[in-house]
Amino acid sequence: DTGVSQNPRHKITKRGQNVTFRCDPISEHNRLYWYRQTLGQGPEFLTYFQNEAQLEKSRLLSDRFSAERPKGSFSTLEIQRTEQGDSAMYLCASSGGLAGGKLFTDTQYFGPGTRLTVL
Amino acid sequence: LAKTTQPISMDSYEGQEVNITCSHNNIATNDYITWYQQFPSQGPRFIIQGYKTKVTNEVASLFIPADRKSCTLSLPRVSLSDTAVYYCLVEETTDSWGKFQFGAGTQVVVTP
Repeated sequence: DTGVSQNPRHKITKRGQNVTFRCDPISEHNRLYWYRQTLGQGPEFLTYFQNEAQLEKSRLLSDRFSAERPKGSFSTLEIQRTEQGDSAMYLCASSGGLAGGKLFTDTQYFGPGTRLTVL
Repeated sequence: LAKTTQPISMDSYEGQEVNITCSHNNIATNDYITWYQQFPSQGPRFIIQGYKTKVTNEVASLFIPADRKSCTLSLPRVSLSDTAVYYCLVEETTDSWGKFQFGAGTQVVVTP
C-alpha cells in the first residue's frame, strides 16, 4: 500500500498527558499537512510542511501543539498537556508540490486519521 | 481567506443525479477547488479538482462558472455506496504559502 499511513489509529489518554502521532506520506510527495476534525465538522487546517520546512501554522495550533518533519519524510504531531477539547480525529495528508510558479494544482491525499480521546 | 459554504444535507434515490454547490465568495485568482468524499471514521478521499469551466472524470463532474465564486459537484446516477459526506476545499495560492479551507460538508443520503 503506497498511500498515506498514520499511527496509531486510536489513542486514549488521560487529561494532562502528552501524546505523539506519526504520519508517513506518499513516498514521492514533498508536502505534508496536518488537520484536526471534530464530529460533524469539516477538517480544520493546522499546519503544513514542504520537505522539512514548516511553512504555515494555523491559529488553531496552540503552543501545546508541535509538529516536526526532520528529514522531509515522515512527520510527528505532539500534543502536550492534553485537554478534553483536544479529542478529535487528527488527519494527515500529503501532496506532490511543484517547484516554481504560483498557479499549480496540488492535490492532497489523506491518511486514515488518528482518533484521539482525552478522558 | 476564502470561506466556503455548502448545504448541510441532501437526499436522493438510487440512479439519480446529485448536484452539490459550494460557495466561496472570496476565492483568490489562483485558487483551485477540490472535492472530497468521506465515510465515517475514514480520511477524506479525493474525488475531483478544477480551476475553471468544467472538469469530468470517471466518478464526477465539476462545474465552475466564470466568476469562480461557486462551484457545483455533480454525481451521476448515485448508488447506495455514495452515501457519505462531501466536502469542498479551496486553496489560496496567491502568495504560494497556501491556506486550506474546507466547507462544513454536505451529508448525502442515497436511498433505494
